[in-house]
Amino acid sequence: DQQVKQNSPSLSVQEGRISILNCDYTNSMFDYFLWYKKYPAEGPTFLISISSIKDKNEDGRFTVFLNKSAKHLSLHIVPSQPGDSAVYFCAAGLTGTASKLTFGTGTRLQVML
Amino acid sequence: ETGVTQTPRHLVMGMTNKKSLKCEQHLGHNAMYWYKQSAKKPLELMFVYNFKEQTENNSVPSRFSPECPNSSHLFLHLHTLQPEDSALYLCASSLRLAGETDTQYFGPGTRLTVL
Repeated sequence: DQQVKQNSPSLSVQEGRISILNCDYTNSMFDYFLWYKKYPAEGPTFLISISSIKDKNEDGRFTVFLNKSAKHLSLHIVPSQPGDSAVYFCAAGLTGTASKLTFGTGTRLQVML
Repeated sequence: ETGVTQTPRHLVMGMTNKKSLKCEQHLGHNAMYWYKQSAKKPLELMFVYNFKEQTENNSVPSRFSPECPNSSHLFLHLHTLQPEDSALYLCASSLRLAGETDTQYFGPGTRLTVL
């Protein structure tokens, strides 16, 4: 049973426009969420996180929104740049546990010129 | 840029071979992790070490044997693997402060092929 789901395997966006990547989770106990970006032949790179006590966290061009009632989070990238083309993973965790992160399957973002 | 290094980056081995993967973190973290990433599947947590002590073994077959001699180094010893073990093996580390949210930082991975 997959507790973290990224239902869109791929997304194409024009340069300069907004990219919206979505993630759904089933375990209401998760209390923090992270987004990672992965380029080919590299490990995932931490991008941004959000605690369940917030509904929004912003860092430059990246904003993560959390809707706890819908068990849904999204990553917005504005404006999208060609260097943003990568696979994006969302992950969910429980504070104070054995630091187990549960990952989604990833969404491949392609930003076109 | 990453403070987590992994060697080798690529490894091809036969089913009767014994090999080891190495991970080193330069971030002063307390916890280290092994993950397996197979094609089109989520990252699967294999092992967790906290202050050199194994705190998690996620039902991993015994042909994978982890070793953590100190908080900066982590090994994954491999023996009599199966072709289905071919995957990207990722190491990660985190600070693991009690009561705090914990961000894991990943190495570049070892691409393993079992023939």
